[in-house]
Order: sequence, then C-alpha cells, then structure tokens
Amino acid sequence: GAGVSQSPSNKVTEKGKDVELRCDPISGHTALYWYRQRLGQGLEFLIYFQGNSAPDKSGLPSDRFSAERTGESVSTLTIQRTQQEDSAVYLCASSSSRTGGGYTFGSGTRLTVV
Amino acid sequence: AQTVTQSQPEMSVQEAETVTLSCTYDTSENNYYLFWYKQPPSRQMILVIRQEAYKQQNATENRFSVNFQKAAKSFSLKISDSQLGDTAMYFCAYNTNAGKSTFGDGTTLTVKP
Repeated sequence: GAGVSQSPSNKVTEKGKDVELRCDPISGHTALYWYRQRLGQGLEFLIYFQGNSAPDKSGLPSDRFSAERTGESVSTLTIQRTQQEDSAVYLCASSSSRTGGGYTFGSGTRLTVV
Repeated sequence: AQTVTQSQPEMSVQEAETVTLSCTYDTSENNYYLFWYKQPPSRQMILVIRQEAYKQQNATENRFSVNFQKAAKSFSLKISDSQLGDTAMYFCAYNTNAGKSTFGDGTTLTVKP
C-alpha cells in the first residue's frame, strides 16, 4: 500500500482479555518495527522483524506479549491477559532495507485497558 | 549501548522566528544515521530530515536544517520561519545498519501566533 496501515485505530478492552493489533507495512519493506508510546512520552522499542524472522525481540515487556509476521508483509502484535499498564499507543513502522533508511510510521493503535 | 538525549522537554517560538532543538548521542560506531521525526497532535510520526554520519555536509529540507557535529556527537535541528503547523513533538533518532532505531525522549515545540 501507499503507507503503513494499522488496525484498529482505537481499542478499548477489559482487563484480562486478549487483544490483537495489526500492521500492514509498505509493500516491499523488509524491515518492520513495533514501538509503544505512553501518553506524552517517548518511544519504547518492542520488537523488530527482518523478513519473517525477529532478530531482536528484546523490548517485549513480558511473556504476555508476542508478535509474528507472515509473508514479509502483515504483522500481528498480541497481548494476552491485558493489564491497565498496557494502555498506550502502539506504533508500527517499516523501512526499505537495513541501510539506515528512515522509518515510515503508521498512525498507531490506541489501546485502553479498563 | 547507544543512547540519544534531548535535553529540552519543551520549547516555544513565535511564528516566523527561528528555533533550534538539541540532540546528543553516544556511540562507538563510525558509520551511522541520524534522523529527526515530527509527531503532531494527530499522532502520525513523520520523518523530517536524515543525516548520514560519513557526510560532512549538513542536511537541509526546505525550512529544516541540521547542525551535525560528529566529534561532539551533536545533532541539532533548526526550524526557520516557524509556522503554526510546526507545533508538534520532535524526536531525534539514531540508527546503524543493524536493525532498530534508538529514539530520544522528545521535545514538545509550540509555535505561538
């Protein structure tokens, strides 16, 4: 597509429920990244995909968080048994190569756990 | 580990004036890339400008320019002729050829009419 698409744009869920966040990167972008941004704060790295593999998942905060990517395209970030501290904007970005290119970001998913 | 520091949490500038946002970073690498991103209240993060460390010439994109001082590990952003639409949070970021970018904590810029 023309840009990075994330869905849903907003998600309200009850504590303890599982949620899935989706990211559709720019076609041909082999690298895909997930970041978390709490209100008014900076970006917290979660996981990085190169193709279908995840060479760096060091930022996943707990085993309740997982992510996968299929076909060098769509990625899904899953949060199990959501907690209130999971409330944040989850940003996805993609880039065209591993040559230091800048990111193209999606608009993010605002997750609210009540 | 690489770190990126933005020492100005908030700044303001009058419309049409010039403002400079500061960024310093720490790395032992010789080849790397530096970026400034803009995040307006709409939340969409946009790449503003990019600098390659091996290039001595400072990058420029219209009203946006950088002052890259490699020895000092400094990478400041200058916005000339500030416009109301420049109001946003600005993030400095660092990347090598090996995966994720490291971001600073951001500077909230308000352009006043």
